[in-house]
Order: sequence, then structure tokens, then C-alpha cells
Amino acid sequence: GENVEQHPSTLSVQEGDSAVIKCTYSDSASNYFPWYKQELGKRPQLIIDIRSNVGEKKDQRIAVTLNKTAKHFSLHITETQPEDSAVYFCAACTTGANAGGTSYGKLTFGQGTILTVHP
Amino acid sequence: KAGVTQTPRYLIKTRGQQVTLSCSPISGHRSVSWYQQTPGQGLQFLFEYFSETQRNKGNFPGRFSGRQFSNSRSEMNVSTLELGDSALYLCASSLNRGYNEQFFGPGTRLTVL
Repeated sequence: GENVEQHPSTLSVQEGDSAVIKCTYSDSASNYFPWYKQELGKRPQLIIDIRSNVGEKKDQRIAVTLNKTAKHFSLHITETQPEDSAVYFCAACTTGANAGGTSYGKLTFGQGTILTVHP
Repeated sequence: KAGVTQTPRYLIKTRGQQVTLSCSPISGHRSVSWYQQTPGQGLQFLFEYFSETQRNKGNFPGRFSGRQFSNSRSEMNVSTLELGDSALYLCASSLNRGYNEQFFGPGTRLTVL
């Protein structure tokens, strides 16, 4: 089955700095890669996602890049703010044309990164 | 649209008991997945339901089961509770199979004593 590794487990930055979180996956059939942000005591919230036919996607201060050959994808947050402090999870999933296996519709998550942005 | 809702939000049970958790997906969403979140194991997939049928299952013992109703609402049941079942149980809904985005509910915090 799919295995997702996420690094670093903790990340501390100063407000205004950039933050980068990296994930690797094992199943070449995975074709959808979402990122979730979970604040303390709250539900995971989808913040950005990327599909395997795209190499990069941006949404304001956040961006995700995907390298299918190397099977890794990364989350980039620029101009970090204290409200960006949370746990961030990457995930991998197989959907659509690659479906049919046991990973279809199933999100396999990384272990999470605790991001702390200091004012 | 209202988001995914889960009830109850908190549960305290003792070992050996059973528990039923409920999830109401976003209106119009037909696929519901369940995840267990613990500090040690992170977020782990339990199962996925679509059209009242379990379509996919994670590596959990048979004590964990679920179902989906015709209105897409879903329940999960855990029988013969163990201390290790203490966790946050999250459900997520998506529009349809093959639609990627999964939106999470607030979770049910289960504590087994």
C-alpha cells in the first residue's frame, strides 16, 4: 500500500520568513496530493491540493510543487504569519483513471509537521 | 452550505462497551470516509462508504464497522472497546467517488477508560 513520509516533524520560523514542508510517497499510482492544516482542537482543513498532471500550484501565500519522477511534493508558505501556526498534513490518494486498487478514495497521510511562527 | 457534522462530539466509555458515532456529510456529497487520529499513529484510514456500500477498508480489526444510509449519512461502530481505541474519530465527505477533495467534520473524541 501507499506510504507517505513527511519532514520535518517540527518547524519554527520568524514571522515573515518562508516555511517549506516536504513529503515523499511510495505508490506511483497516487495522483492526488492534498495538504491539510489542523489548528489545535479543530478539524483538518484543506488548504491546497495538486494533481499529478500539474507540477506547481499557487494560492496567494501558499504553493505546492510535485515531482512525480522523484515521488515527492512540497508545501511552501511565504511571508508567514502567527496565524499560520498549526499542524500541517500532507496526503496522497489514488483517484480517477488510476483507481481500482485498494488505495482508491483513501487518503494516506504523512505524520504531520508542527509549524510555529514567532511574532 | 453546512459543513460536515458529527455527533456526539465527546464520548467516554469503559473497556468492553460498544459505541456508535454518526456523520452527516455536506449536502449533496455521497462519499463518506472515516479516519482515526491519535498522537502516536497520526491520521489513519478506517473505511469509505459510497451508495450505502463499503468500498474500501483500512487495516483495522473487525471490531470497527460502519454503514451508510440512503441519505448518505454514515455511522461507525466500535465493539468491545479497548483502551487503545481512545482517539479522535473524523469523518470526511466528498462529492462523489472520483472527486478528490475530502472535507472533514469536527470529529468525535472517544475516551475509553
